[in-house]
Amino acid sequence: EVELVESGGGLVQPGGSLRLSCAASGFTFSTYSINWVRQAPGKGLEWVSYISSGSTIFYADSVKGRFSISRDNAKNSLYLQMDSLRADDTAIYYCARGEGLAPSDYWGQGTLVIVSS
Amino acid sequence: SYVLTQPPSVSVAPGQTARITCGGNNIGRISVHWYLQKAGQAPVLVISFDSDRPSGIPERFSGSNSGNTATLTISRVEAGDEGDYFCQVWDTGSDHVIFGGGTKLTVL
Repeated sequence: EVELVESGGGLVQPGGSLRLSCAASGFTFSTYSINWVRQAPGKGLEWVSYISSGSTIFYADSVKGRFSISRDNAKNSLYLQMDSLRADDTAIYYCARGEGLAPSDYWGQGTLVIVSS
Repeated sequence: SYVLTQPPSVSVAPGQTARITCGGNNIGRISVHWYLQKAGQAPVLVISFDSDRPSGIPERFSGSNSGNTATLTISRVEAGDEGDYFCQVWDTGSDHVIFGGGTKLTVL
């Protein structure tokens, strides 16, 4: 069974940093692309970043230069390093399996990030 | 960048047909995916590549895409279909995933 489990969320002050993790199981992680998608309280879905199986990387304009996506295929894990956090980064962050033009067919349950003083 | 436009809300009586639109410039030329997010849950894929139904999604869910509008159609709507529906595309111009703003489906 495909499973994605996010962790690492929490409360952080503006300007601070946080590292999110996404643990994958039930599929050959190294052969799939993964997205980070976030959802601010009461708002819609916002794509954050993408990393392909070959480590091609893309970022949303809103996080480019502040967030960094990476993967460790040996550990079946995906990461999102978030620096210079702002209040508008407050959201539930989901990892979702998806390949470019293809849909995100499996999603984790999300981890909540709150940026506040 | 590419913009997807959805109506904020759609209401329908049980047993009737709900249609949720997703507008975008020449959207008919690209693949559209649809997700349902129920309250407090992660999104679930309900339609992929305009009209394909993933395993486990009822046949009542269907999709179409032409011109400047993609449409998700839910036939014989049930109370359990309530939630927020999001359309999504991959914008090859920017290499970005784009989501529509979401449509809240209410079953009256």
